[in-house]
Amino acid sequence: ETGVTQSPTHLIKTRGQQVTLRCSSQSGHNTVSWYQQALGQGPQFIFQYYREEENGRGNFPPRFSGLQFPNYSSELNVNALELDDSALYLCASSRGLALETQYFGPGTRLLVL
Amino acid sequence: GESVGLHLPTLSVQEGDNSIINCAYSNSASDYFIWYKQESGKGPQFIIDIRSNMDKRQGQRVTVLLNKTVKHLSLQIAATQPGDSAVYFCAAPHLTQGGSEKLVFGKGTKLTVNP
Repeated sequence: ETGVTQSPTHLIKTRGQQVTLRCSSQSGHNTVSWYQQALGQGPQFIFQYYREEENGRGNFPPRFSGLQFPNYSSELNVNALELDDSALYLCASSRGLALETQYFGPGTRLLVL
Repeated sequence: GESVGLHLPTLSVQEGDNSIINCAYSNSASDYFIWYKQESGKGPQFIIDIRSNMDKRQGQRVTVLLNKTVKHLSLQIAATQPGDSAVYFCAAPHLTQGGSEKLVFGKGTKLTVNP
């Protein structure tokens, strides 16, 4: 088991609602990356936070936003939920920007009805 | 465009056999490549990585081969065990529009080990 935790484990929302997912990084890690994994697909990079600032973003609309806190934990917020947002949301923490050192959390399963 | 893909979506092997999972990539500028294992209900777990200046790297029961000429890498698992049953992803770094690095994952290969 990695030291990365995510909450909640499962979540059901309806279209148009907003959701906040949380991630606690492994001790000593100051970078958090978020990924969306649709069923049967590989994880897709949403964005990365390094030292409390967004450090890179994938091809996701602005309704996907995030935060990183001084203790390096992070939140992913999604506004105006759509059915296609149903997926497993993974966060991964790493030491600095060395992505090969990143450890993944177990994910939050989001279902949008 | 960015692409890291796998040749076969599923692979079924007998316990004790060797398994080979393949991956093709498009970004010849990638400095390294990573293999992840994802078991049901869990996040991806790092297995092994290889730098672009290497052809082969061995770990415990796993070997990764990199062929830069044809942009292909493979993961070999020796003496496959039931606990190896999972989805395996290759991943490679690509640059975001802002210039930072992100990992691009392939779709995955589901490995089933039959007892």
